[in-house]
Amino acid sequence: GENVEQHPSTLSVQEGDSAVIKCTYSDSASNYFPWYKQELGKGSQLIIDIRSNVGEKKDQRIAVTLNKTAKHFSLHITETQPEDSAVYFCAARTPYNTNAGKSTFGDGTTLTVKP
Amino acid sequence: EAQVTQNPRYLITVTGKKLTVTCSQNMNHEYMSWYRQDPGLGLRQIYYSMNVEVTDKGDVPEGYKVSRKEKRNFPLILESPSPNQTSLYFCASSLSGTGIGELFFGEGSRLTVL
Repeated sequence: GENVEQHPSTLSVQEGDSAVIKCTYSDSASNYFPWYKQELGKGSQLIIDIRSNVGEKKDQRIAVTLNKTAKHFSLHITETQPEDSAVYFCAARTPYNTNAGKSTFGDGTTLTVKP
Repeated sequence: EAQVTQNPRYLITVTGKKLTVTCSQNMNHEYMSWYRQDPGLGLRQIYYSMNVEVTDKGDVPEGYKVSRKEKRNFPLILESPSPNQTSLYFCASSLSGTGIGELFFGEGSRLTVL
């Protein structure tokens, strides 16, 4: 099955700096890669996603890049703010019929933005 | 308001005492799923459902049961809870039955089994 590795597990940056979180996946057939943000005591919320036919997607301060050859995708947050502090999860989804409903998540990255 | 509602949010129970964690969504979503979150292990999928009466195992289904009799509800049943099921549980739903697209998560249910 799919295996997703996420790095780093913790990341601390100064307000205004950029943050980058990277995920690698094992199944070259995976075709959907979302990123979720989990704030303390809350459920995760989708912040950005990318499909396998696209190399990069941007939404204001957040961007995701996908390298299908190397099987990795990264989350980039620019001009970080204290409210960006949260746990971030990446995920990969495979299109196989027998596993059509499965999504595999990374272990999460705890991002701390210092004022 | 569109949401996924889980109950209870917090529960302390004892080994072997059957319990059910309810999950309900009001968005008419086809797909629903349960995850457990443990320190350093991220979100691991327990069971998922692509439609009413269709359920399938995720990566860690042992010790759990689910049912999908109605589109909006997807309860997680622990027939005989054990301490290794102490965890934070999340229910999620998605519009598409394939699970592609945004997952909407509940706020989580923290379960402690003594």
